[in-house]
Amino acid sequence: KQEVTQIPAALSVPEGENLVLNCSFTDSAIYNLQWFRQDPGKGLTSLLLIQSSQREQTSGRLNASLDKSSGRSTLYIAASQPGDSATYLCAVFSTSGTYKYIFGTGTRLKVLA
Amino acid sequence: EAQVTQNPRYLITVTGKKLTVTCSQNMNHEYMSWYRQDPGLGLRQIYYSMNVEVTDKGDVPEGYKVSRKEKRNFPLILESPSPNQTSLYFCASSNYYSGSAYEQYFGPGTRLTVT
Repeated sequence: KQEVTQIPAALSVPEGENLVLNCSFTDSAIYNLQWFRQDPGKGLTSLLLIQSSQREQTSGRLNASLDKSSGRSTLYIAASQPGDSATYLCAVFSTSGTYKYIFGTGTRLKVLA
Repeated sequence: EAQVTQNPRYLITVTGKKLTVTCSQNMNHEYMSWYRQDPGLGLRQIYYSMNVEVTDKGDVPEGYKVSRKEKRNFPLILESPSPNQTSLYFCASSNYYSGSAYEQYFGPGTRLTVT
């Protein structure tokens, strides 16, 4: 059964730091991996989608990488800002017999001004 | 504007009173799904639908029903709600046929309280 883990669960950094959020999954039979941002009590905003055949995707200060063979993805945030404070979630779309999305429990990020 | 809409956004109900949460998308997406989000447990998939009249169980389907009679709509039905179904619910949709196949788009969420 696919399991998705995000470490650390919480992270607090000063403004301006570059940081890396980690996502690992146990079954490499995935179609894609998607990173989301969620503000408290709000919905999910899609940040980046990486297809299983891709190695990385970039959008502005965000870069996500995918190593399917090792079951890992990282989200790199450059020059962090207080507005980046949110919970970051990763999700994999598994194709092992069923077509399900499995989410990690998220990393709660706080960027201090 | 491309979007997923859910109604109601907030709902307080009593144990056993049947309720329906509606979900609609205007992007002609084939795939739709429902999630619940609970503290410490993250987002868990309740049901999903690959297309009209095709639905399947996610990881936590007990106590819920769905139907997909039209491509744009995917209502979530709680026949006899119980307090353990108090949660934040999200609907999402995605499509097959594009360079971003299966990229999910989420609705704003429905906060349900069952007393």
